Amino acid sequence: QVQLVQSGAEVKKPGASVKVSCKASGYTFTSYPIHWVRQAPGQRLEWMGWINAGNGNTKYSQKFQGRVTITRDTSANTAYMELSSLTSEVTAVYYCAREGSGRQLLYWGQGTLVTVSS
Amino acid sequence: SYELSQPPSASVSPGQTASITCSGDKLGDKYACWYQQKPGQSPVLVIYQDNKRPSGIPERFSGSNSGNTATLTISGTQAMDEADYYCQAWDSSTVVVFGGGTKLTVL
Repeated sequence: QVQLVQSGAEVKKPGASVKVSCKASGYTFTSYPIHWVRQAPGQRLEWMGWINAGNGNTKYSQKFQGRVTITRDTSANTAYMELSSLTSEVTAVYYCAREGSGRQLLYWGQGTLVTVSS
Repeated sequence: SYELSQPPSASVSPGQTASITCSGDKLGDKYACWYQQKPGQSPVLVIYQDNKRPSGIPERFSGSNSGNTATLTISGTQAMDEADYYCQAWDSSTVVVFGGGTKLTVL
């Protein structure tokens, strides 16, 4: 069965960077894009960007362009989302999600809480 | 940039039909998806390509999309359906857009 398992919670200081991982199993990793979605406490879902796991091409939301980098390691069946220059405003749960054949976000990771605090 | 609008809240009595709308410019020309999210849990896809249900989603969930509005309908609403619901569409086939979410209360 398809599973996306994300790395554990992180606590970071302002100005630092964080890299969250999303390990996929149960399917051919390079066959489906992986997306990253942010949800601040009590707030809506925000789409951050996606990566074509096959060729590594990426597309980012305008809001996150320049602040987020999405990569993948096909040998490890893992996608990564790195946020730089952290501020307290980016404290949120970050989800990875895999597309289905109809371009829906069919499978979701369990979420990773990133807390930014001095 | 493309935007999707949802009412912040909706309520329904158990056993009745709940309808949640999602509005966007010419949304009917795109495919709409719907996600259910319960507190402390990851979102779950309940409707994709306007009206298709993923495996395991009960038949009481249905969807439609026409003009500028997509609608999620829950027939015979149960207490377990109380959750936040988000619509989603693609803009220019490259950018994902979420609606603001609707909190459904079953009372």
